[in-house]
Amino acid sequence: KQEVTQIPAALSVPEGENLVLNCSFTDSAIYNLQWFRQDPGKGLTSLLLIQSSQREQTSGRLNASLDKSSGRSTLYIAASQPGDSATYLCAVTRNQFYFGTGTSLTVIP
Amino acid sequence: DAGVIQSPRHEVTEMGQEVTLRCKPISGHNSLFWYRQTMMRGLELLIYFNNNVPIDDSGMPEDRFSAKMPNASFSTLKIQPSEPRDSAVYFCASSFRSAGVGETQYFGPGTRLLVL
Repeated sequence: KQEVTQIPAALSVPEGENLVLNCSFTDSAIYNLQWFRQDPGKGLTSLLLIQSSQREQTSGRLNASLDKSSGRSTLYIAASQPGDSATYLCAVTRNQFYFGTGTSLTVIP
Repeated sequence: DAGVIQSPRHEVTEMGQEVTLRCKPISGHNSLFWYRQTMMRGLELLIYFNNNVPIDDSGMPEDRFSAKMPNASFSTLKIQPSEPRDSAVYFCASSFRSAGVGETQYFGPGTRLLVL
């Protein structure tokens, strides 16, 4: 069964810092990988989707990379802002979604 | 579009009672997913439907849980009888194309269930 791990579980950074969130998965036979954001008490919002044939995707200050052979993905957030504070989850898909446990990010003003 | 709609938003019940959670997917979406989220286990897929047909229910914890999708615009997740360990946030999500191709899912706000 696919196992998805996210490290660290929690991260606190000062405003303006660039940061990297990590996601690893055990089975490289995936269709794609997605990064989601979850705000407290709310559902998930999709941030970026990387198809298995792609290496990276960018949206604004966010950049996600995918190395399928090594089972790793990173989410890079540039110039972090307090509004980025949330839990970030990665999910890999084949016939269904497999979610990581998330990284709780706090950006300190 | 109003997005995925879930009701109720909060539910508090006593052990042994029946609980029914409801979901209205985004209009035109063909796949619907039920998830459960807890601090201990994170986000777990319970069951998903393609074109109203249950495809994979291997995540359903036990026979106390059942899900139906009588039409393209409505689904229910029922727990009978409920137990304290069922306390969690239950999310419904939908996507445009059939599950298996990994299209983006759109999540509802969730139902917070507390079983006393």
